[in-house]
Amino acid sequence: AQTVTQSQPEMSVQEAETVTLSCTYDTSENNYYLFWYKQPPSRQMILVIRQEAYKQQNATENRFSVNFQKAAKSFSLKISDSQLGDTAMYFCAFMKYFGNEKLTFGTGTRLTIIP
Amino acid sequence: DAGITQSPRYKITETGRQVTLMCHQTWSHSYMFWYRQDLGHGLRLIYYSAAADITDKGEVPDGYVVSRSKTENFPLTLESATRSQTSVYFCASSYTGPTVEETQYFGPGTRLLVL
Repeated sequence: AQTVTQSQPEMSVQEAETVTLSCTYDTSENNYYLFWYKQPPSRQMILVIRQEAYKQQNATENRFSVNFQKAAKSFSLKISDSQLGDTAMYFCAFMKYFGNEKLTFGTGTRLTIIP
Repeated sequence: DAGITQSPRYKITETGRQVTLMCHQTWSHSYMFWYRQDLGHGLRLIYYSAAADITDKGEVPDGYVVSRSKTENFPLTLESATRSQTSVYFCASSYTGPTVEETQYFGPGTRLLVL
């Protein structure tokens, strides 16, 4: 079974600064996907970024980028030039290839952007 | 483009009552999922479905029943609600294909309170 660990329950950062959220996972699989989801106060789950394990290159989406370290089983999210709208819960999630698309989530990190 | 919708958005019920939460998606996605979100646990998979008439248990299926007679609908029924089923319930869907991204998209959630 897979496990996903987010060791930072809460973080806060000043607006316009950069913040990094940590995620580690445990799996015996070699092929899988990793995701970061954002959950703002509206509670809607929004996909932020995804990474395929076979890809060497780290995924980026505008101000969001990941640092994927497969050997270390680490998948951190970096938010650059943070904005007030980035205030949310952030969940790291794992899905194995051909795993019937079941996601395993971490417990989340509550991020607050301070004006 | 309606995407994925859930109803009701809020529900209060009493212990022992039967409750059905509805999920509807307009994308013709093959896979659909039900998760529950509780403090300290992140999101946990209750049931999932790979196609119409195909369902399978997730991590926390006890006390829940699902059906999928049509591709677009995936109702979740609590046959005899208990206080421990007070939670926020998310439905999600994804499309599986050889050239399509395997990414889950979430509905807005249903907040259920069992008294």
